[in-house]
Order: sequence, then C-alpha cells, then structure tokens
Amino acid sequence: SAVISQKPSRDICQRGTSLTIQCQVDSQVTMMFWYRQQPGQSLTLIATANQGSEATYESGFVIDKFPISRPNLTFSTLTVSNMSPEDSSIYLCSVPGTGGDEKLFFGSGTQLSVL
Amino acid sequence: LAKTTQPISMDSYEGQEVNITCSHNNIATNDYITWYQQFPSQGPRFIIQGYKTKVTNEVASLFIPADRKSSTLSLPRVSLSDTAVYYCLVGDMGGTYQLIWGAGTKLIIKP
Repeated sequence: SAVISQKPSRDICQRGTSLTIQCQVDSQVTMMFWYRQQPGQSLTLIATANQGSEATYESGFVIDKFPISRPNLTFSTLTVSNMSPEDSSIYLCSVPGTGGDEKLFFGSGTQLSVL
Repeated sequence: LAKTTQPISMDSYEGQEVNITCSHNNIATNDYITWYQQFPSQGPRFIIQGYKTKVTNEVASLFIPADRKSSTLSLPRVSLSDTAVYYCLVGDMGGTYQLIWGAGTKLIIKP
C-alpha cells in the first residue's frame, strides 16, 4: 500500500497567479501521476513524473502551464501557472502500491478555485 | 486505448444488491479491469480488479465475461454509506499504467 499526503487541500486563487501543490508519499516509488478532475467529471491524466527525468505530459498539457518537480522518490510538486477560472478543478497525485501491490493509490486532492 | 462506457447514475435502496455494468469493447490483451469508488472531497479508492471470469473480495464482486468486452461490479446489500461515484477503468495496471477512466456512475442509496 501507499499513504499519500497532499497539500494544500484547497485554495482560492486570483487569476494570473500560480499555485504549487505538494505530494508526499510514505514509501519510495518510481512513478508518480498527476491528475485533474474538473467539476463533476472523471479523472484526466496530466503527466507522469519519474524521479531523475523530465515529466511526461499527456496531450493537451504542457510544461509551461503545469511544471512538475520530482526531486526524490517520495516527493513531487505540480505547479498550476498563470491561472484562469478554467483551471478550477481538483488536482490529484497518485502512485502505484509497493511490495507487489500494483493498484493506484490517491492523495485526497487539492480543490482549486480561481477567481 | 480502450474506451469505457458506464451509466451516469443509478438509484437503489439499503439492503439491495447493486450491479453497475461497464462496457469496454476495445479492451487490449494486457488490460486489467479495475473499479474505484470516490466520495466527495476525497481521492478515488480501489474496490476490485480482475482480468477475466469472477473476482470477489470483502466488499464487492466483479464479473467479466469471456470476451472481456464488459464487466459488472456487484455490491451486495448496500448501505447509505455506499453513496458515491464509481469508476470503471481499463488499462495496464502494474505495467505502463496507461489507464482509461470511465465517466463514473453516481450511485445514490436511499433509506
């Protein structure tokens, strides 16, 4: 299993500003995933963050808008840059389990509202 | 990548068995079928996973026909606390983690 601490849990931001979301895992994991969940919608993968390499972004997401850091095997950050109201969503980090437990575990999410 | 389709919403009553079906016509050989549960203001939580036939754990059963083009999540004797959104996803869980999430089924349990 994996326990994920994600913060902040929620924030209200002004347009044009940036917010950095932190994700801390209680075990070392190679892969970490960042998802976006727009209001009332399903999950959409933003990027995969592997330690020691550049994050891999999905179609429709770019590094300038969503820069990711992965300094070690237990921590990652996602920044939402130059925010607009369309960025209002829940942002979730996720990791695979360890010790043969391959399912994905999720943080509790960051509820972002942009005014 | 496979695309999944599931009902947008379902209602049921406490004590009933609830079955939610998901279709995934283009599922690949390496894909597993996984179901997650999500409560408001929480991240999704794993319920059950299978590849074929039937899988049962302490909270649910998963039925997968031989052609694997659909799957049915079965929740026995639901309670009010089972009110949540249930997601069907297919993909290579444990490998590439290239996953396709369904739109989710909002299940409402009534007293």
